[in-house]
Amino acid sequence: DIVMTQSPLFLPVTPGEPASISCRSSQTLLDSEGYNHFNWYLQKPGRAPQLLIYLCSSRPSGVPDRFRASGSGTECTLKISTVEADDVGIYYCMQGLHTPHTFGGGTTVEIK
Amino acid sequence: QVQLQQWGAGLVRPSETLSLTCGVYGGSFTGYNWTWIRHLPGKGLEWVGEINHHGATNCHPSLEKRVTISLDTPKNQFSLTLTSVTAADTAVYYCARGSRFRFLPIWGQGTLVTVSS
Repeated sequence: DIVMTQSPLFLPVTPGEPASISCRSSQTLLDSEGYNHFNWYLQKPGRAPQLLIYLCSSRPSGVPDRFRASGSGTECTLKISTVEADDVGIYYCMQGLHTPHTFGGGTTVEIK
Repeated sequence: QVQLQQWGAGLVRPSETLSLTCGVYGGSFTGYNWTWIRHLPGKGLEWVGEINHHGATNCHPSLEKRVTISLDTPKNQFSLTLTSVTAADTAVYYCARGSRFRFLPIWGQGTLVTVSS
């Protein structure tokens, strides 16, 4: 199985400041068409995860543009340009290229 | 706007069968991968498996002997059954719609399933 490793595990943030979370995969997630199969989700307590970023750089409609990501075949970094109080929760990366699809262990983001 | 609504028993006895169903409202099955994810308590998210609109399935190898994912196209539903459950299967189970690239933009509300006698 592909192992997804996130860092840090815990991220205290200050509203108005930037933040970033890294995800590394044990194998390349770059396919033959050039797509990098990292996806980012935010889960708030009692809620289903919400897709923030897909294919390491694309943002679904409705997701604020303060969320951006970029990376290579074995890593993808999520960046929040200016953290807001509503951004707290657990962030997960996930790969959807190889079965079984696997998640990172999660990064808990809290306000300092 | 496609919505997923899931239902099923919230309490299952050890060694019995977990059954969940996910209704798809406002869209068709064609072109998507219909997925089950679970959130194990105190742990993270785990991919359980998926089914496409042709009925072809992929399941987590650790579960594949116990898991069945099926499609009921006329009813616009897909289902998960997990046999011989143990306490380790206690989790919040989510259904989700996946794109051809397997990212998951649409999720059900989640169902807490507790395995206990």
